[in-house]
This record gives sequence, C-alpha cells and structure tokens, in this order.
Amino acid sequence: DAMVIQNPRYQVTQFGKPVTLSCSQTLNHNVMYWYQQKSSQAPKLLFHYYDKDFNNEADTPDNFQSRRPNTSFCFLDIRSPGLGDAAMYLCATSRNLWLRGDSNQPQHFGDGTRLSIL
Amino acid sequence: AQSVAQPEDQVNVAEGNPLTVKCTYSVSGNPYLFWYVQYPNRGLQFLLKYITGDNLVKGSYGFEAEFNKSQTSFHLKKPSALVSDSALYFCAVSPRAGSYQLTFGKGTKLSVIP
Repeated sequence: DAMVIQNPRYQVTQFGKPVTLSCSQTLNHNVMYWYQQKSSQAPKLLFHYYDKDFNNEADTPDNFQSRRPNTSFCFLDIRSPGLGDAAMYLCATSRNLWLRGDSNQPQHFGDGTRLSIL
Repeated sequence: AQSVAQPEDQVNVAEGNPLTVKCTYSVSGNPYLFWYVQYPNRGLQFLLKYITGDNLVKGSYGFEAEFNKSQTSFHLKKPSALVSDSALYFCAVSPRAGSYQLTFGKGTKLSVIP
C-alpha cells in the first residue's frame, strides 16, 4: 500500500549529539511536512517542502533543519538536541499546498519517530 | 488568525452509549474542517472532513460530525461507542482559501469503558 514511512520508530540520542530522522513516501506527493508533538499536545508544524522549496515556520528553532534529496525522502536534522526536544516527530505528505474540493484528505501521516534525549 | 478549540481534555463514555467530542473553530470566511484520530504511538489517521454541502458528514469507523455555522462548531459523534474507539481525537481547520496549513486543536482523549 502507498504510505508514509518513518524510520526509526524510536530513537535515543545524547544531549547535544546530532540526530537525523527519516521519512519516505510512496504517494508521489509534492509536499512533505515535519511536525513536533509533545505528550498529549497538538502537532506543531516545524517546516514543509513543496517540491524542493523549503518553508520554515517562523517559530521553528534554528537547531532544526531539513533536507529533501528527492520526491520520496525527507530528513529532519536536529543539530544539538536538548532535553526539551524530546517528542514524537511526525512526517506528513499532501498532494498539493492548496486543498481542492475533490481531495480525500489534506495530509497523510506516518506513524512517527519518538525521540528520547539522555 | 484561524483557531480551533476542543474544550474537553478527556471524555469518558460507556461502551454502547453514544459519544460526542466537541470542537469549535474561529476562521475568516468559511472553513474546511477535519477530524483525525491518533492511537498510542501512531500517527494521525483521517476520519472525516467538511468542505461544503450537507451539515452532517459521515466518515470512517462509523463516525460522523455535524457542522453548525451559527455556533461555529464541528462536533464528532458516534451512535454506539466501542472500546477500540479509545484514542486521542484532534479537530483541525484550514481556511476556505484552502491553505495546506492545518491548525489543530489540543486534542481530546476518549476513553470507552467496557
């Protein structure tokens, strides 16, 4: 089945040690998003790619970066993780930036990567 | 700015009873409205959406939602709750212009008691 796959599902890293989370999609969608979700809170959008165009949310810390080498893959890099960065990180995709009346759903989500910081 | 409110952090309901999870929204113009469900350690799964048309929208797993423009609400409902419905439910909105950017409510934890 076409889907959004996140690896690994669980990631443990040390305080200050760079970490990379990955996301791949078989939907051939143009847009890929990264969200941060802390315990029992709403997902918070960090940034998104529309094709190769990167769009950062205004309040996303500089510590968070992203790469999209091709349509299928997108990476989240945390340069120097702090204890406050422990969270679930969700990747999502959508066909386009703008919803259309015939869209089944705006965004398709992966199962997330739970990041722990030691 | 668009916003979504889910006034209840938790909803408890007995198995077999009807359930309602509340959502109100604030957006300029007419909204696109969505409900997602999240099971533990999983991503968000789409349940249903309101774009236009009938105010009662039917979605996955027997869920439905009622759009009420005058009350700016989009409550999620199910006639008979199952234990397997226990999860975290998120309401989300995007403006009619159709921006990709979903604004999520803070979520409501639904517990269905056997």
